[in-house]
Amino acid sequence: GEDVEQSLFLSVREGDSSVINCTYTDSSSTYLYWYKQEPGAGLQLLTYIFSNMDMKQDQRLTVLLNKKDKHLSLRIADTQTGDSAIYFCAESPPDDSWGKLQFGAGTQVVVTP
Amino acid sequence: DAGVIQSPRHEVTEMGQEVTLRCKPISGHDYLFWYRQTMMRGLELLIYFNNNVPIDDSGMPEDRFSAKMPNASFSTLKIQPSEPRDSAVYFCASRGTMGLGDGYTFGSGTRLTVV
Repeated sequence: GEDVEQSLFLSVREGDSSVINCTYTDSSSTYLYWYKQEPGAGLQLLTYIFSNMDMKQDQRLTVLLNKKDKHLSLRIADTQTGDSAIYFCAESPPDDSWGKLQFGAGTQVVVTP
Repeated sequence: DAGVIQSPRHEVTEMGQEVTLRCKPISGHDYLFWYRQTMMRGLELLIYFNNNVPIDDSGMPEDRFSAKMPNASFSTLKIQPSEPRDSAVYFCASRGTMGLGDGYTFGSGTRLTVV
């Protein structure tokens, strides 16, 4: 199964907040990432958090990290139709920290008017 | 920088034909990754290179798939012979080692359809 797990689908109304959740298995992961994939495009890095942080805020995006529970979340404030996309959580395992990332299956976010 | 450049964007080929996908990583990035994305299996890592050397090819489905990186600015993924089940979007990504927080930069992908 997946080392990084995400729910597959989220529907949210325009203007509301979205929260996308992710759980990971390697408690010693150094960096955790959120990527966004719009239709017909590649994955785009949205934000990341270092494992010694609990929270990171970047404009409408807030990343929360609970290392004890190995839980990562991405909150999007004032969700817009342009936020409709697939969101991937990824971790950078320390045994290959300069190399490959482990991605989750992605959460499809649909924003409705 | 123009980002990671992949070609072609779309490829339609007949079963049994050879397919070559191309990737130009970001200049200065010393890691290059090939991924495949399908609805059924999601995003799968096929192979990755460090300094042009293949590090892990355990994700390559079978011997029909091969990848090369002859220099720091070019990589190919070849499928010979192609089969309908190879239909997917193939992504190339590159990464530098200046900072882990930079993550990967993905190309726009090649949508392969094998009929």
